[in-house]
Amino acid sequence: SQQGEEDPQALSIQEGENATMNCSYKTSINNLQWYRQNSGRGLVHLILIRSNEREKHSGRLRVTLDTSKKSSSLLITASRAADTASYFCATDYTGANSKLTFGKGITLSVRP
Amino acid sequence: NAGVTQTPKFQVLKTGQSMTLQCAQDMNHNSMYWYRQDPGMGLRLIYYSASEGTTDKGEVPNGYNVSRLNKREFSLRLESAAPSQTSVYFCASRGGSQLPPYEQYFGPGTRLTVT
Repeated sequence: SQQGEEDPQALSIQEGENATMNCSYKTSINNLQWYRQNSGRGLVHLILIRSNEREKHSGRLRVTLDTSKKSSSLLITASRAADTASYFCATDYTGANSKLTFGKGITLSVRP
Repeated sequence: NAGVTQTPKFQVLKTGQSMTLQCAQDMNHNSMYWYRQDPGMGLRLIYYSASEGTTDKGEVPNGYNVSRLNKREFSLRLESAAPSQTSVYFCASRGGSQLPPYEQYFGPGTRLTVT
């Protein structure tokens, strides 16, 4: 399976702290994406980073990509209780005929 | 602009019954997808349609069939439901291979229980 792997599987932090989540993948990619899922809902796209980019920001989100290590990190700064959700990385593999490959997800709990 | 819609939201079936899950998108996307989500398993791709007129198997296609009715609609059919198909089903769409938007848009999900 080419499924990406997220790390850690679960993360519990205090409100105001930063949350860092990691994703590793296996072969060359066009881009890597991060999604968020609130309990019982569909996934929502957060941020996309292309293979020729190393870092990208969107509000309190910062994503990095290291293609030599085949890994990405998502940083959520100054976390809020409302950030409590599951987070998934998805890889858009080169030649994958329009498929994205999702990891199993990271459960983030932010304590008020 | 409703995005991706799915019907029904909830369904309970008995083993052996059949049903069709409906999905529609109003964003003129080329590619559409069906996933199932089970606890601890993440999202698993069942079938996808890279463009109108094409469908391909994903990771877990057994027990399912799909129809890309037109560019907007992509349905998933369970011919003879089994308890192992109890899951939450998500439909998604995006621009397509090498076509923007590159991110996927998801529907709200269908919660299916097979007894």
